Amino acid sequence: EAGVAQSPRYKIIEKRQSVAFWCNPISGHATLYWYQQILGQGPKLLIQFQNNGVVDDSQLPKDRFSAERLKGVDSTLKIQPAKLEDSAVYLCASSFTHGNSPLHFGNGTRLTVT
Amino acid sequence: RKEVEQDPGPFNVPEGATVAFNCTYSNSASQSFFWYRQDCRKEPKLLMSVYSSGNEDGRFTAQLNRASQYISLLIRDSKLSDSATYLCVVKNFGNEKLTFGTGTRLTIIP
Repeated sequence: EAGVAQSPRYKIIEKRQSVAFWCNPISGHATLYWYQQILGQGPKLLIQFQNNGVVDDSQLPKDRFSAERLKGVDSTLKIQPAKLEDSAVYLCASSFTHGNSPLHFGNGTRLTVT
Repeated sequence: RKEVEQDPGPFNVPEGATVAFNCTYSNSASQSFFWYRQDCRKEPKLLMSVYSSGNEDGRFTAQLNRASQYISLLIRDSKLSDSATYLCVVKNFGNEKLTFGTGTRLTIIP
């Protein structure tokens, strides 16, 4: 079974620039998550999709972050403009919808904002 | 109070010893529970789900105490390869939201 695919693996940008990350979940997984993980901390949920609808984006800084999952499969996460504190690993995960199904993570995108 | 709380450690434990971590959660509507393992600079990977009656997978035992709202992970006969960060994850009923703890860092010492 193919896993969750993410790209790019690494990205270095200057503050105030924009950046986009892409995620392709495991086939058949209706739920897709974007997490931000700052060094030394646990992953923090940014946004959760159920098919192409947003379930939870309460912790997404909407003035600079946006995400979409137009056809209910692939998703993109964008930051515009980036700040220094956005330096983190951005993890995409997917799961089946029913209660006990665990998350499967992609390799993540390591973003450095200089 | 944080939704999910873990002792960040670090726990430095000699090889062969038994080590246990606890994780507390604040939302009584939480439905499902998991332990994930994260190696340095890698993505989290599922270690085991936690079932109401408790469950075991080799040297690893997970338990759930709904009354006190905590889950635990016990590692017996620890190996050097068990060195990692262990993340507690709680899933809420209804919105399927998953919340991670900050993780507990474990180092097994030869």
